[in-house]
Amino acid sequence: SAVISQKPSRDICQRGTSLTIQCQVDSQVTMMFWYRQQPGQSLTLIATANQGSEATYESGFVIDKFPISRPNLTFSTLTVSNMSPEDSSIYLCSALGTGWVYTFGSGTRLTVV
Amino acid sequence: QQQVKQSPQSLIVQKGGISIINCAYENTAFDYFPWYQQFPGKGPALLIAIRPDVSEKKEGRFTISFNKSAKQFSLHIMDSQPGDSATYFCAASSPNAGNMLTFGGGTRLMVKP
Repeated sequence: SAVISQKPSRDICQRGTSLTIQCQVDSQVTMMFWYRQQPGQSLTLIATANQGSEATYESGFVIDKFPISRPNLTFSTLTVSNMSPEDSSIYLCSALGTGWVYTFGSGTRLTVV
Repeated sequence: QQQVKQSPQSLIVQKGGISIINCAYENTAFDYFPWYQQFPGKGPALLIAIRPDVSEKKEGRFTISFNKSAKQFSLHIMDSQPGDSATYFCAASSPNAGNMLTFGGGTRLMVKP
């Protein structure tokens, strides 16, 4: 299955600033996704990152707050914009690769102060 | 997102015992049902997965039982070990819903030595 490198692994940011999280896959994948996970909670889908077009956002998530890029079949970024303490969470990248296997990165633990 | 309900939220099992986690879903279009294991500070890792054309799948100590008519599936961990202590998530996906994974709420398993 695909291997995902996600960075940064953690960051502490000031409110009002933005953070861009990078997700690199070691092989071309069909689909890429971004999830949010509060500590001790389940995963909530933010959006599907579409190659060469605008991401598809789930209810409650908007492009202005979480802009996503996917310039090719192996790379995607998620930006958390104008951060507030409520954005403190773990953000996870996922990819759907060969054999219909969904792989996850190790996550980015974000703390907004 | 379509709902997947998972129970119990937490589970304590003695070493050597059987751990059983249950999930129920609503969307009959779901056609892929994976189980993920997550350790603290790590992303979810695929444990085992099943499609609705089979009622059971076994890989080592891990077995998925699937009941299509009841819209339920479960994970059985035989001979549970302290190293199995982690959070387990069931999930489901459908090609009619963008192929994204919808996760259950998670089960925190503790295996006592």
